[in-house]
Amino acid sequence: GENVEQHPSTLSVQEGDSAVIKCTYSDSASNYFPWYKQELGKGPQLIIDIRSNVGEKKDQRIAVTLNKTAKHFSLHITETQPEDSAVYFCAATDGQNFVFGPGTRLSVLP
Amino acid sequence: EAGVAQSPRYKIIEKRQSVAFWCNPISGHATLYWYQQILGQGPKLLIQFQNNGVVDDSQLPKDRFSAERLKGVDSTLKIQPAKLEDSAVYLCASSLSGGYGAFFGQGTRLTVV
Repeated sequence: GENVEQHPSTLSVQEGDSAVIKCTYSDSASNYFPWYKQELGKGPQLIIDIRSNVGEKKDQRIAVTLNKTAKHFSLHITETQPEDSAVYFCAATDGQNFVFGPGTRLSVLP
Repeated sequence: EAGVAQSPRYKIIEKRQSVAFWCNPISGHATLYWYQQILGQGPKLLIQFQNNGVVDDSQLPKDRFSAERLKGVDSTLKIQPAKLEDSAVYLCASSLSGGYGAFFGQGTRLTVV
């Protein structure tokens, strides 16, 4: 089955700096890769996603890149703000097997 | 658009008791997921429904956990009997279909004492 790894497990950045979180997946059949943000006491919130036929996608300060050959994808957050502090999860699915990474705790320091 | 509704928000039970969680997905979403999230970990898929059929329940501890999706809409997840290690947040999510982003409810925090 699918296995998703995520690095780093914790990340601290200064406000205004960029943050990058990286994930790798094992199943070449996976074709959809969403990213979630989870704040304390809440369910994960979908923030951006990418499909396997696209190499990069951007939405304001957030971007995701995908390298199918290497089976890895990354989340990039630019101009970080304190409200970006949360746990971020990557996930991968082939439509029938939706697997999450272990998460990255991002702290944006003012 | 209303989000995924879950109840209850919190539940405390003693080990060996039973408990049930309820989920109402976003209207029109064919796929429904139940996840278990232990503190400090990523969500682990327990079961995935497509309409009212089971797509994947390979990680569901079937000796104690059961789930059903009534008429392809609402779903319930039951644990009987509960163990201490079942203490976790149980998340329900729904999506248009299996290859689309899932939208999560706020979860039910279960504490087994």
